[in-house]
Amino acid sequence: QKEVEQDPGPLSVPEGAIVSLNCTYSNSAFQYFMWYRQYSRKGPELLMYTYSSGNKEDGRFTAQVDKSSKYISLFIRDSQPSDSATYLCAMNLMNTGFQKLVFGTGTRLLVSP
Amino acid sequence: DSGVTQTPKHLITATGQRVTLRCSPRSGDLSVYWYQQSLDQGLQFLIQYYNGEERAKGNILERFSAQQFPDLHSELNLSSLELGDSALYFCASSVRGTQETQYFGPGTRLLVL
Repeated sequence: QKEVEQDPGPLSVPEGAIVSLNCTYSNSAFQYFMWYRQYSRKGPELLMYTYSSGNKEDGRFTAQVDKSSKYISLFIRDSQPSDSATYLCAMNLMNTGFQKLVFGTGTRLLVSP
Repeated sequence: DSGVTQTPKHLITATGQRVTLRCSPRSGDLSVYWYQQSLDQGLQFLIQYYNGEERAKGNILERFSAQQFPDLHSELNLSSLELGDSALYFCASSVRGTQETQYFGPGTRLLVL
């Protein structure tokens, strides 16, 4: 079993839809949770990060963490064609002063006009 | 643009060969990370350096090695290349190496024939 599970998609939605992207994890030692967006043939870029259970909002994006269920989500409101990309969840193990990010395999999102 | 640069963008080589990938971190960042991204494995952490010293190791093969130089740029050396080493190789950097925010470069696409 992988430490982080993420549905690879693709997830196809019409423009304006609310998108829900999810990851589950098995290691309760994860302390920080991130969402990265990766456009085709580009490097991942950080969208959101949070370290506590609950919601964090940034514009059209909301990150949600439920540590008790080991479940994180990213919601995108009013989705746009420019949101079409692969979304990677990532989690951070803090150990002896260094960090190791563990990534999900990514969900490919397609937003059609 | 994340501020992290990687060269070359593309690399085509043959099995058994050796290649060197180069990364320059963002200005002020002391820590560099290397990742491998393949279709079936997703984004896998390879190794981290902080201010010239190896800080953490992930799923890095013995045929692979890395180093960080005094000017903080880093090189990833891949030797005795196999077909399965074909992948995207990303470098990321962060300020101290204990923060959760990593900024990724555009990647080097390696194709082993």
